[in-house]
Order: sequence, then C-alpha cells, then structure tokens
Amino acid sequence: AQSVTQLGSHVSVSEGALVLLRCNYSSSVPPYLFWYVQYPNQGLQLLLKYTTGATLVKGINGFEAEFKKSETSFHLTKPSAHMSDAAEYFCACGPGYSSASKIIFGSGTRLSIRP
Amino acid sequence: GAVVSQHPSWVICKSGTSVKIECRSLDFQATTMFWYRQFPKQSLMLMATSNEGSKATYEQGVEKDKFLINHASLTLSTLTVTSAHPEDSSFYICSARDPAGADTGELFFGEGSRLTVL
Repeated sequence: AQSVTQLGSHVSVSEGALVLLRCNYSSSVPPYLFWYVQYPNQGLQLLLKYTTGATLVKGINGFEAEFKKSETSFHLTKPSAHMSDAAEYFCACGPGYSSASKIIFGSGTRLSIRP
Repeated sequence: GAVVSQHPSWVICKSGTSVKIECRSLDFQATTMFWYRQFPKQSLMLMATSNEGSKATYEQGVEKDKFLINHASLTLSTLTVTSAHPEDSSFYICSARDPAGADTGELFFGEGSRLTVL
C-alpha cells in the first residue's frame, strides 16, 4: 500500500523568494514519485518525476525535487518564485511502471505568490 | 508528450438525468485509463481503472451502477453518471499512460470535465 502526505495545504511566498513544497510518502516497494501542477479548471501537468537513478531531478519551469529515501521525502523547490507559479501542486506516488499501475495523490498544496 | 482529451469540458444537467463524459487518447493507444474525481480545493480521488475490452475496476466506495465506465476501444473510455444528483457535481478527470513511448510511469491527464447537477 502507498500513501502520500503533503505538509501545508497553502503556502505563500513573495515573488523572487524560494519555493519549498513538502511531500512525504509511504511505500512498501520502491516508489515512482511525481509532482504535478494544476491551474484552475484544468487537468494536471507533470512538473517532474523520479523513477530510478539520480535522486535530484529537474523539471519544467525551474522546479526540482530531491528523492531522499532515508527521510521518505520528495520535496519540491524552486529558487525564485514567479507570479505564474501560483497554482495547486500535487505530489503523487506509484509502485512502479506498468500500464495499470495506480498513482496515489497527496492532498495538494496551493501556492500563492505575493507581489 | 502524449495527449489525452476530454469532452465536454463543462456540463450542466437536471437532477435525474444521465451524463456521458468521453476521454480520448489522441496520439497513442491506451489499454488502461484512470478516472478521477476532484471536489473543490481537494485532491484527486481515483474512482476506477478502465480496461479496454473488459470490465472496469472500481475503487472501494464507488458505486459501479452509478458511474458506468466503458472502454470499447484503445483510444476511448467513457464515464456515464447515471441518474445524476447534485451531490455528483464535481470535476472529473481522466488519465492514461503511453505504453509505447519512453515513458516511465507518467500519467497524462485530460483537461477535466466539470459537472454541475441542478
């Protein structure tokens, strides 16, 4: 069984400040981990993913995340926030790749950017 | 990346009617699609796994007679909300994987369909 916990339902940062969105997971098998972004009334877009290999993964729009097995974490960061980053962010976990593998989502974190 | 498209984007219906939402994989074949439901300001809850040519697998607590899923081809899955009631109002999102690409587990999502039942 797998679960995903996102700490903080709402994060607010100033434009240009560091963005840190927290995600912890629980998995009985080596996990595949994802961060998705959702803009209002839209579907989800993949920001980045970790499967195997390098634990620091870089995604689109300047975001990156680091897989830390010892901490069961996969926190999302961006050095400098932009107004366009305001959205809902979801961390997700899956048990590994197959067409039918389910992905479980965290509760989401709403990111607000202050001018 | 692979493209998944949903239709309609918005639908308003009267209580008691049935509504069909389509999910299409536009540039790949999807033997498996996933249907999620999202309430306002909440996360995505997996409703069911749609399997091409066979019955869908529903998550615990999801009424299979209420939410009919048909996956008749490798590019189309449909979700029909039968005898809809206001509590069925929600944002429904489908997703799929592209099994033929270099993908490693990523789900591609449709744009979502917002259902409002009056």
